[in-house]
Amino acid sequence: DAGVTQSPTHLIKTRGQQVTLRCSPKSGHDTVSWYQQALGQGPQFIFQYYEEEERQRGNFPDRFSGHQFPNYSSELNVNALLLGDSALYLCASSSLTDRGGLELFFGSGTQLSVL
Amino acid sequence: TQLLEQSPQFLSIQEGENLTVYCNSSSVFSSLQWYRQEPGEGPVLLVTVVTGGEVKKLKRLTFQFGDARKDSSLHITAAQPGDTGLYLCAGAGNNDMRFGAGTRLTVKP
Repeated sequence: DAGVTQSPTHLIKTRGQQVTLRCSPKSGHDTVSWYQQALGQGPQFIFQYYEEEERQRGNFPDRFSGHQFPNYSSELNVNALLLGDSALYLCASSSLTDRGGLELFFGSGTQLSVL
Repeated sequence: TQLLEQSPQFLSIQEGENLTVYCNSSSVFSSLQWYRQEPGEGPVLLVTVVTGGEVKKLKRLTFQFGDARKDSSLHITAAQPGDTGLYLCAGAGNNDMRFGAGTRLTVKP
């Protein structure tokens, strides 16, 4: 049973570029949440997708957008990259029918470096 | 801004010692979770506490949820090098989990 998978594992971009990160949830999960984890910090909630719609959003600018597909996989897009966007981006999957969706299973993350 | 404050930020101890780390907030949470994260990996859920005053044990780890559901503690007995990692607490918000900045624990052999 595959867990949460994220791709790519590492990415280097320059300021102003755009990036797309991908996530496949754990089998049986229907909800995907995205988090940004800067060095030395805890994960910061970006947004959550359920039934292909953004269900909840954290305090992130509109440069951060996402999408969920019918197979529950998800993408995170970041436009006009800034140096401060350098971080580990984590995807977490859950199931609303299981513990109210509060049990999160994380992928290993995508390490994004913006130069 | 972290809604959940964790202390200490860093902790370095010798194998066999006991330790306690704390998670505090001014907000009430319906549930609170503890995760452990190792370098290059995502956080892994250790426990979920739901009821004020609840105590849960997981082998050498003891988790407690404050009576007012605003704070929690994690106690490790006889720490081992394998316990090394970043310990994160997370509170249930509105359809999401909000994390503290974590306590980075190093257990030296």
